[in-house]
Amino acid sequence: KNQVEQSPQSLIILEGKNCTLQCNYTVSPFSNLRWYKQDTGRGPVSLTIMTFSENTKSNGRYTATLDADTKQSSLHITASQLSDSASYICVVSSASGGSYIPTFGRGTSLIVHP
Amino acid sequence: GAGVSQSPSNKVTEKGKDVELRCDPISGHTALYWYRQSLGQGLEFLIYFQGNSAPDKSGLPSDRFSAERTGGSVSTLTIQRTQQEDSAVYLCASSLERWTKNIQYFGAGTRLSVL
Repeated sequence: KNQVEQSPQSLIILEGKNCTLQCNYTVSPFSNLRWYKQDTGRGPVSLTIMTFSENTKSNGRYTATLDADTKQSSLHITASQLSDSASYICVVSSASGGSYIPTFGRGTSLIVHP
Repeated sequence: GAGVSQSPSNKVTEKGKDVELRCDPISGHTALYWYRQSLGQGLEFLIYFQGNSAPDKSGLPSDRFSAERTGGSVSTLTIQRTQQEDSAVYLCASSLERWTKNIQYFGAGTRLSVL
């Protein structure tokens, strides 16, 4: 069964600090892995997309890593800001006959305090 | 338009009624996706359109759910005989081309409450 597990479930940090969110998956066959940021009451916003051959992808202060061998990904946030407070969702997509088969993590809720 | 537009933003209905949710994707985006997000739960994939065709409808939770897309643009998600467990935020997204490597842009969602 395809699964995506995210940790921690929630995280509180002080403004300016760095943090790392984890995503472990058992999805096969693997197509790509995405990280999204979702503010309360809004739709998710794409942060990074990584395919099998990519092991690092950056988007500003966000850096995602992918280890396809261990089936793990991380999202590192540098110099956190209050606006980083949101839910961060890991999504791993599989492919079968061209169909789109995403598996979602439950998300990590990040709170950045001043 | 500037982004993915969904309407209505909020919908309150009585159990047993039918509802229709609308999604206007970004102009030129050929791929369109519907998701559901229940309170305290993760996102759940419902259906994906490439153009007007939906290659796989197995994500729809029951036969009360149906979706269509016309003219490669607007899509509607219809829920018949709504049940309380259908209460959720229904999100639509679109991408320039098929899903494999393109960014999906999400709308703000329709919050459905079934009383």
